[in-house]
Amino acid sequence: NAGVTQTPKFQVLKTGQSMTLQCAQDMNHNSMYWYRQDPGMGLRLIYYSASEGTTDKGEVPNGYNVSRLNKREFSLRLESAAPSQTSVYFCASSVEGYGTQYFGPGTRLLVL
Amino acid sequence: AQSVAQPEDQVNVAEGNPLTVKCTYSVSGNPYLFWYVQYPNRGLQFLLKYITGDNLVKGSYGFEAEFNKSQTSFHLKKPSALVSDSALYFCAVRDVTGTASKLTFGTGTRLQVTL
Repeated sequence: NAGVTQTPKFQVLKTGQSMTLQCAQDMNHNSMYWYRQDPGMGLRLIYYSASEGTTDKGEVPNGYNVSRLNKREFSLRLESAAPSQTSVYFCASSVEGYGTQYFGPGTRLLVL
Repeated sequence: AQSVAQPEDQVNVAEGNPLTVKCTYSVSGNPYLFWYVQYPNRGLQFLLKYITGDNLVKGSYGFEAEFNKSQTSFHLKKPSALVSDSALYFCAVRDVTGTASKLTFGTGTRLQVTL
């Protein structure tokens, strides 16, 4: 039982390049989330998916797209990376109800 | 919208002393409140939550939190701090809007425990 896994762990991009961050969970959770973490700002929600087949914008969705591929997997895509997207990205999942979320180890992204 | 505030960027405490990390909240309706901990270069780990019931909630690693409705606070506490407790702590509140429960996080408090 690996919980929530994320790939890659670290990535360097040049401005304008694209990439996809992968997330998978093996806890049979319905809901999945993408956050970014920046110093002094806590975690901010980018997108979430309440269930397979649905996605919704969070607090900071601009510049990102997501795909809920199936119940296990939720990917985050940067179509044209910008230096402002340099951050640590966390994926999380939860069973609906009281909302306890379980987090992956994170992807550290540097955009030059 | 639901929100939480963590008024201290950093808390310093000596090992063996009690620790408190503060959190206040603003919600409409009944609050569902959470504490998470983040160790360096790791993801967030769930510590405890308040849904309803007793105002003192016990969680992992000897941590507990006190829910105070009149003061709209949910402070994290531990009777005796350990150096290994040094980490970044986040308070969060559940926000049920749209199609899913979401968490809104505070900005985090860095706990430094020294010998």
